[in-house]
Amino acid sequence: NAGVTQTPKFRVLKTGQSMTLLCAQDMNHEYMYWYRQDPGMGLRLIHYSVGEGTTAKGEVPDGYNVSRLKKQNFLLGLESAAPSQTSVYFCASTEGRYNEQFFGPGTRLTVL
Amino acid sequence: AQKITQTQPGMFVQEKEAVTLDCTYDTSDQSYGLFWYKQPSSGEMIFLIYQGSYDEQNATEGRYSLNFQKARKSANLVISASQLGDSAMYFCAMREGRSSNTGKLIFGQGTTLQVKP
Repeated sequence: NAGVTQTPKFRVLKTGQSMTLLCAQDMNHEYMYWYRQDPGMGLRLIHYSVGEGTTAKGEVPDGYNVSRLKKQNFLLGLESAAPSQTSVYFCASTEGRYNEQFFGPGTRLTVL
Repeated sequence: AQKITQTQPGMFVQEKEAVTLDCTYDTSDQSYGLFWYKQPSSGEMIFLIYQGSYDEQNATEGRYSLNFQKARKSANLVISASQLGDSAMYFCAMREGRSSNTGKLIFGQGTTLQVKP
């Protein structure tokens, strides 16, 4: 099993460009999450999904959109990237809401 | 509002000694879960240990134990016999209680641990 994978691992964007981060899990988990990690601030939840076809906003959703068309995939979109979105993005999944979350390796995004 | 606080930005420990990383939390829920994750310099997030709010015993996983003091709302991570490979950032996190069906985690700011040879 690959666990949780993220594509791409690194990306540099110019302000105003758009991109999509892909998260895939092969553990048949219902719950999936997107976090961003910034220095000194820990991880903050952007959006999450409690099942295929469902998404909801987390703590810092502005500037991002998500989709969960297939159970195994959770996509994070930036429609018009801003320098404030420079961060490391982590995807996570869990079997149930009481279980530990398994994290992907992260995507380092720089917006110039 | 729920909150996790880690007051130690950085800590040093001598190899083979024990170290305690502090974590305090704030919640009005009676049912909640507390997690510790390790993030080495390579960047991945590694789950270490879990404590449920109704668990009477402190959780242990190998060299990791969680010192859970419910009345004080603290969930400190104790690493025994530190190894050089324990050098990493450590995050404390809390899962929302049963009133929520989301499984969302709230993270602390993290503590960087450096193990000295």
